[in-house]
Amino acid sequence: DQQVKQNSPSLSVQEGRISILNCDYTNSMFDYFLWYKKYPAEGPTFLISISSIKDKNEDGRFTVFLNKSAKHLSLHIVPSQPGDSAVYFCAASGHGGATNKLIFGTGTLLAVQP
Amino acid sequence: EAGVAQSPRYKIIEKRQSVAFWCNPISGHATLYWYQQILGQGPKLLIQFQNNGVVDDSQLPKDRFSAERLKGVDSTLKIQPAKLEDSAVYLCASRKEGRGVETQYFGPGTRLLVL
Repeated sequence: DQQVKQNSPSLSVQEGRISILNCDYTNSMFDYFLWYKKYPAEGPTFLISISSIKDKNEDGRFTVFLNKSAKHLSLHIVPSQPGDSAVYFCAASGHGGATNKLIFGTGTLLAVQP
Repeated sequence: EAGVAQSPRYKIIEKRQSVAFWCNPISGHATLYWYQQILGQGPKLLIQFQNNGVVDDSQLPKDRFSAERLKGVDSTLKIQPAKLEDSAVYLCASRKEGRGVETQYFGPGTRLLVL
């Protein structure tokens, strides 16, 4: 049972445009959500997170939106840069992250074309 | 500060053979995780250590997988005997005690191919 889903395996965007990556979850106990970025042959690195008490969190070019009623979150990258090309994983945790157990989605490969 | 170190980076074995992976976490990080990432899937937690004690091993296939963290520092993950479906990247991560979940730092992983 896939509790965290990323239905788009890949996304291609032109440099300078907006990239929108989507994630859906099924477990109502999740209350802390994270996005990770992964380059080939490297481990995932933390990008941005959001608590369920918020509906938006922004960090530079990266913004995460959370719609709890729809159990949906999205990552917006504006403007997209070629260096953003990577696999992006959505992850969820319970108890405000206190359990420290992460459930990952399947990932979306983002390609930013120059 | 040095990151999470893992070795080997790549390993090719035949089914039914044994294999071991090594992880050295960031200095001072009490919590250590092993994840399995199968191609096309996200990382899946296999086992979590707090110092040298196991916190969560609910998804570790204990009939063939074992892990230890002697002295609460380095850790070893072993597969014996390996199956074709064990082909994956094995990621180690560590976190400082008392810090949030987003402070898990991942190593580069060991890519295992079972033929």
